[in-house]
Amino acid sequence: DVKVTQSSRYLVKRTGEKVFLECVQDMDHENMFWYRQDPGLGLRLIYFSYDVKMKEKGDIPEGYSVSREKKERFSLILESASTNQTSMYLCASKRGGGTEAFFGQGTRLTVV
Amino acid sequence: GEDVEQSLFLSVREGDSSVINCTYTDSSSTYLYWYKQEPGAGLQLLTYIFSNMDMKQDQRLTVLLNKKDKHLSLRIADTQTGDSAIYFCAESANDYKLSFGAGTTVTVRA
Repeated sequence: DVKVTQSSRYLVKRTGEKVFLECVQDMDHENMFWYRQDPGLGLRLIYFSYDVKMKEKGDIPEGYSVSREKKERFSLILESASTNQTSMYLCASKRGGGTEAFFGQGTRLTVV
Repeated sequence: GEDVEQSLFLSVREGDSSVINCTYTDSSSTYLYWYKQEPGAGLQLLTYIFSNMDMKQDQRLTVLLNKKDKHLSLRIADTQTGDSAIYFCAESANDYKLSFGAGTTVTVRA
């Protein structure tokens, strides 16, 4: 089975802190994604990556950056966390040309 | 840009059929998906349909696609309490982006 693992289920951070959310997939997928999920808004794409060291902005990249140094790992970085970044963050991976995206369990981030 | 819309809530009696509707705007969509999210979990793919198909059936699930109206529906027959979840409609026109609706929270009552 494909496994997408997010390093934390719950995080609480202070405003202004630098926050790292880590995601690892074990199926050698080319494409990886970071979404945030908010009630009534569904999932919104923050960034995606189609290869090592490659990244593209999604619909809401402001306040975020990403890093993909190895194929299996895709990190989301909040340079200076703000309260409006309190949300559920979901990582996903997908084989290039494949039909199904596989999701991690999510990280619920609270910024206080 | 892409836009996917679906109603936010559905309440259904156990044993009845559930129908969740979705509309999308991107006429170049290649795949259309239904994902399920149970409490505290990530998203799980339920089923998907190619844009050149009208219908797909998989056990209790039936997906109908009206490409002309850009309308997608998911029917769950004999709805059970374990079907209570958030259901997301999504569409994809390329390899890199899935666009999701806001999600429909389905509540199954006894």
